[in-house]
Amino acid sequence: GENVEQHPSTLSVQEGDSAVIKCTYSDSASNYFPWYKQELGKRPQLIIDIRSNVGEKKDQRIAVTLNKTAKHFSLHITETQPEDSAVYFCAASTPGNTPLVFGKGTRLSVIA
Amino acid sequence: ETGVTQTPRHLVMGMTNKKSLKCEQHLGHNAMYWYKQSAKKPLELMFVYNFKEQTENNSVPSRFSPECPNSSHLFLHLHTLQPEDSALYLCASSQESQRNIQYFGAGTRLSVL
Repeated sequence: GENVEQHPSTLSVQEGDSAVIKCTYSDSASNYFPWYKQELGKRPQLIIDIRSNVGEKKDQRIAVTLNKTAKHFSLHITETQPEDSAVYFCAASTPGNTPLVFGKGTRLSVIA
Repeated sequence: ETGVTQTPRHLVMGMTNKKSLKCEQHLGHNAMYWYKQSAKKPLELMFVYNFKEQTENNSVPSRFSPECPNSSHLFLHLHTLQPEDSALYLCASSQESQRNIQYFGAGTRLSVL
């Protein structure tokens, strides 16, 4: 089955700097890659996703890139703000309407 | 409250207690999920229900017993739990046709003493 690895487990950046979180997946058939943000004490919320027919997707300060050959995808947050502090989870799913397989999460701390 | 609602938000129980977690979704979805979230571990999928029928049970111990009386409600019945079962239990829902787009509840923080 699918296995998703996520790095780093913790990340601290200065306000205004960029943050990058990386994930790798094992099943080359995976075709959907969402990212969830979970603030302290709150529910995971989908913030951006990418499908395998696209190499990059951007939404304001957040972007996701996908390298199908290397089987990795990354989340990029630019001009970080304290409210970006949260745990971020990547996930992957294969065709056939299968449930998501999640990474272990990255705790991002943005220091003002 | 719209979306996915979980109660209680916090639960402390002894190993001999019996308790239940409740999840309710107001999104018109027909698939519901239970996840376990432990520190430094990926979200672990426990159970999946589609149209009230259980379709997945990922080797979850029998001390966890799910129940799905209808497409909007999902329960997780707990009995004789162990301290290592302490975790955040998250419920999620989706359309059966789009199981990869899930909406999560805020979770129940469970502590087993």
